[in-house]
Amino acid sequence: EAEVAQSPRYKITEKSQAVAFWCDPISGHATLYWYRQILGQGPELLVQFQDESVVDDSQLPKDRFSAERLKGVDSTLKIQPAELGDSAMYLCASRSTGVSQGTEAFFGQGTRLTVV
Amino acid sequence: EDQVTQSPEALRLQEGESSSLNCSYTVSGLRGLFWYRQDPGKGPEFLFTLYSAGEEKEKERLKATLTKKESFLHITAPKPEDSATYLCAVREANQAGTALIFGKGTTLSVSS
Repeated sequence: EAEVAQSPRYKITEKSQAVAFWCDPISGHATLYWYRQILGQGPELLVQFQDESVVDDSQLPKDRFSAERLKGVDSTLKIQPAELGDSAMYLCASRSTGVSQGTEAFFGQGTRLTVV
Repeated sequence: EDQVTQSPEALRLQEGESSSLNCSYTVSGLRGLFWYRQDPGKGPEFLFTLYSAGEEKEKERLKATLTKKESFLHITAPKPEDSATYLCAVREANQAGTALIFGKGTTLSVSS
């Protein structure tokens, strides 16, 4: 069964250090999302890609966060410098772009980031 | 103001004790309401998509329904393995992309 792959699963980093997360979506899925989920809350969108283009990054803290999807396949999310408040689960999801815009997104297992 | 509100925040049931989870939403132009299940430390797992009022979908012990203002996730005769956080999300018509807007979830605990 096709899955969204994310790595690493867990990451502990010190405040002010740089950290990066990787996501490989389901093959053929043109739409890729990065979400952040704080413990006890629902996921919140950080950035959406359609192929290699950014569709929505209005909630991405651009002073410290960056995201890229250079060849329209896998994607990297970077934080530099990391802050204590960045501790959260970072989730990647992908979706097939069909005729209907109602098709569901499939999530990876996430990367649990702890900033100390 | 939250666009997606789920209640209750937490629900404890005995095995076999049926109940319902609520998801109310305030968006202009619904392009789909989604239910996901999330186990601790894992990513959300897709359950259902509902598009229009009156629509219903079922999967094993779960049944999702939709009205113009809310959705219910009915759990019939739950088992301990149904314990998880259930997330409701909506896709809105007037937005830049197609991302989902999530509620905070309902954490269900089923004891034997």
